[in-house]
Amino acid sequence: GAGVSQSPSNKVTEKGKDVELRCDPISGHTALYWYRQSLGQGLEFLIYFQGNSAPDKSGLPSDRFSAERTGGSVSTLTIQRTQQEDSAVYLCASLWGGPGTGELFFGEGSRLTVL
Amino acid sequence: KNEVEQSPQNLTAQEGEFITINCSYSVGISALHWLQQHPGGGIVSLFMLSSGKKKHGRLIATINIQEKHSSLHITASHPRDSAVYICAVPTNTGNQFYFGTGTSLTVIP
Repeated sequence: GAGVSQSPSNKVTEKGKDVELRCDPISGHTALYWYRQSLGQGLEFLIYFQGNSAPDKSGLPSDRFSAERTGGSVSTLTIQRTQQEDSAVYLCASLWGGPGTGELFFGEGSRLTVL
Repeated sequence: KNEVEQSPQNLTAQEGEFITINCSYSVGISALHWLQQHPGGGIVSLFMLSSGKKKHGRLIATINIQEKHSSLHITASHPRDSAVYICAVPTNTGNQFYFGTGTSLTVIP
């Protein structure tokens, strides 16, 4: 597709359930980021993938969070045993090269509500 | 202290006014990004710049590397410009971005 695609756009789940959020970056973009934005707050870094390098997972808030990127393209963010504080918009962004070499393209986000 | 500081935090303007949003940063950078987020909407990249000035329509972005300062200007502002404007710079490792806290702009008809 022409832009960064995320699914689902909205997800309501019960506390304790697992959720998977998907990001399909722009074709050819080697860098992929996951961020989370709580209501009225700024962007919180979660994880960064760059090509075949080991991902930077330093932003993942707990071991309930994990992410993978298959074939250098599609990425999945998994949250296990969801908690109410996980409720937020999860944003995926991609760019070609590194942060200083291209524009950052964001998806529309996946809004997660944990009841 | 935040690595990226934006001002003002909130801005209300009358339609047609010239608007300036400022961004100061404390780290060495390769490029600076200006982003726009409409209420309830996604984030759109407006500019990536490493020197000088760029212009897209009514939007102009400037950067002074020596002073570690960038400005985003909106000429002839319109209600549809109402959004949060965010300044971002890469971290030294290049793995992340430092984001400003955003400037919430409201343009009144």
